[in-house]
Amino acid sequence: DAGVTQSPTHLIKTRGQHVTLRCSPISGHKSVSWYQQVLGQGPQFIFQYYEKEERGRGNFPDRFSARQFPNYSSELNVNALLLGDSALYLCASSSRAARNEKLFFGSGTQLSVL
Amino acid sequence: AQSVSQHNHHVILSEAASLELGCNYSYGGTVNLFWYVQYPGQHLQLLLKYFSGDPLVKGIKGFEAEFIKSKFSFNLRKPSVQWSDTAEYFCAVNALDSSASKIIFGSGTRLSIRP
Repeated sequence: DAGVTQSPTHLIKTRGQHVTLRCSPISGHKSVSWYQQVLGQGPQFIFQYYEKEERGRGNFPDRFSARQFPNYSSELNVNALLLGDSALYLCASSSRAARNEKLFFGSGTQLSVL
Repeated sequence: AQSVSQHNHHVILSEAASLELGCNYSYGGTVNLFWYVQYPGQHLQLLLKYFSGDPLVKGIKGFEAEFIKSKFSFNLRKPSVQWSDTAEYFCAVNALDSSASKIIFGSGTRLSIRP
């Protein structure tokens, strides 16, 4: 079985641009979460989607948005990029949205903002 | 607000040494606790988790962790480490009144094992 897949693996953007990151969950998983991992820190929660509805949002500005599609894949959008948005963006999937669900992580998208 | 503290940023051990990585969290209610591991070049994966019951939980590869509620701690242990345990280890917490999968991660501990 394929794991969580994310695309692209690497991305370079300039300040002010917009970026879209994509995630395909494990087959059968209906929940997708997004995390931002800045170098030297642990992952920070951005969003969780379950059955195409937003279930949770972390402490990120409105420049960050996401959505989930009928096939449970997801996109993370970031507008008006800042240098501080440079990070590894991780997607995690789980079969349900329950608190005790094991998360399966993808390898991430490394975003560099110049 | 919930937070997770991992006091050791980098731990260096020789093979066969015993390991204990510290983790403390700040939240007064009921929590779910996790340890995730990231091996070099691989993605984050679950090592073990605590939800309820026996406070001593066992995970994969001989790791275990003990939940001590009075100390708000969830330390990770292994009696004898191997070179293959070289990785970054993250402690994480999910409070039961928070968003379902809003897991708060610590900053991580890098473990280096000398062969």
